Amino acid sequence: DTAVSQTPKYLVTQMGNDKSIKCEQNLGHDTMYWYKQDSKKFLKIMFSYNNKELIINETVPNRFSPKSPDKAHLNLHINSLELGDSAVYFCASSQTPRAMNEQFFGPGTRLTVL
Amino acid sequence: AQTVTQSQPEMSVQEAETVTLSCTYDTSESNYYLFWYKQPPSRQMILVIRQEAYKQQNATENRFSVNFQKAAKSFSLKISDSQLGDTAMYFCAFMNSNSGYALNFGKGTSLLVTP
Repeated sequence: DTAVSQTPKYLVTQMGNDKSIKCEQNLGHDTMYWYKQDSKKFLKIMFSYNNKELIINETVPNRFSPKSPDKAHLNLHINSLELGDSAVYFCASSQTPRAMNEQFFGPGTRLTVL
Repeated sequence: AQTVTQSQPEMSVQEAETVTLSCTYDTSESNYYLFWYKQPPSRQMILVIRQEAYKQQNATENRFSVNFQKAAKSFSLKISDSQLGDTAMYFCAFMNSNSGYALNFGKGTSLLVTP
């Protein structure tokens, strides 16, 4: 059973399109995250949700909108895609947003904007 | 803001040898947590080891151990008896309440284990 799953794993699209990446965790965790890994492999937090409530919203363009329909799902919607959005996007989850709970990562979604 | 620095972009080690990856961080907080994550070519992020700042004892997980020097703000990872499967990017990460308990990553060290 996959603990944290993301769909799709690969996404190739044209500039200006709108796309979504879905994330689901079956670990019963309360907290979910989106991280972005750029072409130089640098990983940076984008958003974090705890029990469907937004708790971290880093400086990302407002073309990025996370949505958490329930605590097992955290989707990422991106409007008006730009070349610079090309990256690998990782979803992660942890039991709570506190202490040193391990964050479990999904397999990543490689987004390529042409 | 907390920063994490990994000063070795690339390293290489022969199978069965020992290698140490460096990590330093900057924070004014006294309570925090440190992690090493591994990212093999499959791109899956895997937790290697973690350390709580208030614990003086260095964490160990099988062939992986850390040298945590709180005063020096240093958190190095030692891999003993290196195996080919250890070839990966290794990321040092910092977490505390100020970061909303999100992981704050260094830029990574690419480790190649050669036969």
